[in-house]
Amino acid sequence: QKEVEQNSGPLSVPEGAIASLNCTYSDRVSQSFFWYRQYSGKSPELIMSIYSNGDKEDGRFTAQLNKASQYVSLLIRDSQPSDSATYLCAVNSEGGSEKLVFGKGTKLTVNP
Amino acid sequence: KAGVTQTPRYLIKTRGQQVTLSCSPISGHRSVSWYQQTPGQGLQFLFEYFSETQRNKGNFPGRFSGRQFSNSRSEMNVSTLELGDSALYLCASSVIQSNYGYTFGSGTRLTVV
Repeated sequence: QKEVEQNSGPLSVPEGAIASLNCTYSDRVSQSFFWYRQYSGKSPELIMSIYSNGDKEDGRFTAQLNKASQYVSLLIRDSQPSDSATYLCAVNSEGGSEKLVFGKGTKLTVNP
Repeated sequence: KAGVTQTPRYLIKTRGQQVTLSCSPISGHRSVSWYQQTPGQGLQFLFEYFSETQRNKGNFPGRFSGRQFSNSRSEMNVSTLELGDSALYLCASSVIQSNYGYTFGSGTRLTVV
């Protein structure tokens, strides 16, 4: 059973701070990694994808991947109250497993 | 362009009844996946369809079934509803396969009483 683990939180940071969200996965052959944001009462929204080791930056968001450690993270710089949401890590494997396995999510609250 | 459309948005059903949920993917997206989301279990994979064929299935009982039509629209059916089936059912589409990430619809909130 392929698993994706996240700290459930809640994670609380002050406005302007860096929020760090972490995720580990069990399937060593995983190749595609995603971060989704889900506001309360809404559906998940894709915010970052990463496929190779290292960092990928998009605006205030940076995704980091370390396949050797089976670890993926999301950094949110200059956190805003509008970033308050649940962040879901999702992992896909090559080799025919045509599905994303999701972690249970980390709830982030950014305090003004 | 239009996103993933799910209907209905809300449903209330009685135990033992059956229900059919509908999903229209983004135009050009051929892969449709279904997930069940509950507070305790998070997002649980139900099944994935591509070109009218089920490519993958999650660990759900046979009461949960689905299909995909030639226009890529998909339906899922739950028979003999149980209280535990109350959840948000999410449909997601992608161009070819999940390596590219999914776009989710707004979901159908099913309540079984």
